[in-house]
Amino acid sequence: DSGVTQTPKHLITATGQRVTLRCSPRSGDLSVYWYQQSLDQGLQFLIQYYNGEERAKGNILERFSAQQFPDLHSELNLSSLELGDSALYFCASSVDSSGSTYNEQFFGPGTRLTVL
Amino acid sequence: LAKTTQPISMDSYEGQEVNITCSHNNIATNDYITWYQQFPSQGPRFIIQGYKTKVTNEVASLFIPADRKSSTLSLPRVSLSDTAVYYCLVARRSSARQLTFGSGTQLTVLP
Repeated sequence: DSGVTQTPKHLITATGQRVTLRCSPRSGDLSVYWYQQSLDQGLQFLIQYYNGEERAKGNILERFSAQQFPDLHSELNLSSLELGDSALYFCASSVDSSGSTYNEQFFGPGTRLTVL
Repeated sequence: LAKTTQPISMDSYEGQEVNITCSHNNIATNDYITWYQQFPSQGPRFIIQGYKTKVTNEVASLFIPADRKSSTLSLPRVSLSDTAVYYCLVARRSSARQLTFGSGTQLTVLP
């Protein structure tokens, strides 16, 4: 157990719909990262938040957005869903303190999104 | 970011030592080498990180030659539960950045 929680575990929806994925980082971790893993694209970085602010953007579509709340949990919003958005979505967290020395991120169990 | 090259897949038998080599010819001076393990339908898990020579922890060893253009993850006496995808990543040492995963190496441990 990494200490990172994600809900829901599974999500089945239809094309054109909008969903929200939720992530709670490990206690004390200020950074939250979102990754998408699909069979044809592998594990891709989407976006990072640090202490409520967006820090880095990766291959995130304009239909997708995220935010990090004052309690540090994060939500990933996916809208106008397409079949190709079906994937595993992982959230990861890290400490990001001056004493942190490792490229160690702690990944949650993921949310499996199926778009029909 | 330095590009990494790993074998797509490897097979081994229980009890054997497994060595997975990663090539990273364009590694920069400030880059560290990190390995992650991923089981099906689970998030990746940090295994080990190193800069040069040899690093060992309770689950693996990481060997890095002097030129740092490659690295070898060594898993001693693998078991069936070590069947997973192993990713080699090269990046500056910082937890405050995204990870760039390549294709990884699918290790299959056979009985």
